[in-house]
Amino acid sequence: NAGVTQTPKFRVLKTGQSMTLLCAQDMNHEYMYWYRQDPGMGLRLIHYSVGEGTTAKGEVPDGYNVSRLKKQNFLLGLESAAPSQTSVYFCASSSQTGWNEQFFGPGTRLTVL
Amino acid sequence: KNQVEQSPQSLIILEGKNCTLQCNYTVSPFSNLRWYKQDTGRGPVSLTIMTFSENTKSNGRYTATLDADTKQSSLHITASQLSDSASYICVVGGYGGATNKLIFGTGTLLAVQP
Repeated sequence: NAGVTQTPKFRVLKTGQSMTLLCAQDMNHEYMYWYRQDPGMGLRLIHYSVGEGTTAKGEVPDGYNVSRLKKQNFLLGLESAAPSQTSVYFCASSSQTGWNEQFFGPGTRLTVL
Repeated sequence: KNQVEQSPQSLIILEGKNCTLQCNYTVSPFSNLRWYKQDTGRGPVSLTIMTFSENTKSNGRYTATLDADTKQSSLHITASQLSDSASYICVVGGYGGATNKLIFGTGTLLAVQP
């Protein structure tokens, strides 16, 4: 099993450009999450999904959109990138909420110039 | 305000030595506490998960303790190895919907030197 994979690993964008980050999991998990990690700060939840076809806002959703058309995939979109969105983005999945652990992907390092 | 504070920010130890990392939290209500290990350039990996009724949990050379009364947790690493060099993140879960309202600490950066 590959676990949680993310594409791409690195990306550089210019202000105003758009892009989509792809997350895929092969563990048949219901829940999927997108986080961002910035220096000196803990991971912050952007959006999450509790099942195919569902999405919800997290702590810092502004400037991002998500879609969960298939259970195994969770896409994060930036419609008009801003320098403040320079960050490392992590996708995670879990089988259910409560105590079950979240499995994280390797991350995507995004730089917006 | 819900917060998770970790100390120290960074730590250097010699291979084979033990160390203890600290986590204080003000998250309320509280349901569980997790420790994650994050290698440089990688995603976090779960080490332990404890509910409010558990005082200690081990995973190999890693032992986490929890005092829900004082809202403190510690992660003890025994006989450190070079591969233990990483950031260790304390995460506290409250109650509230599908996300369990996880609050992440900023991590303790551990460097194990030969």
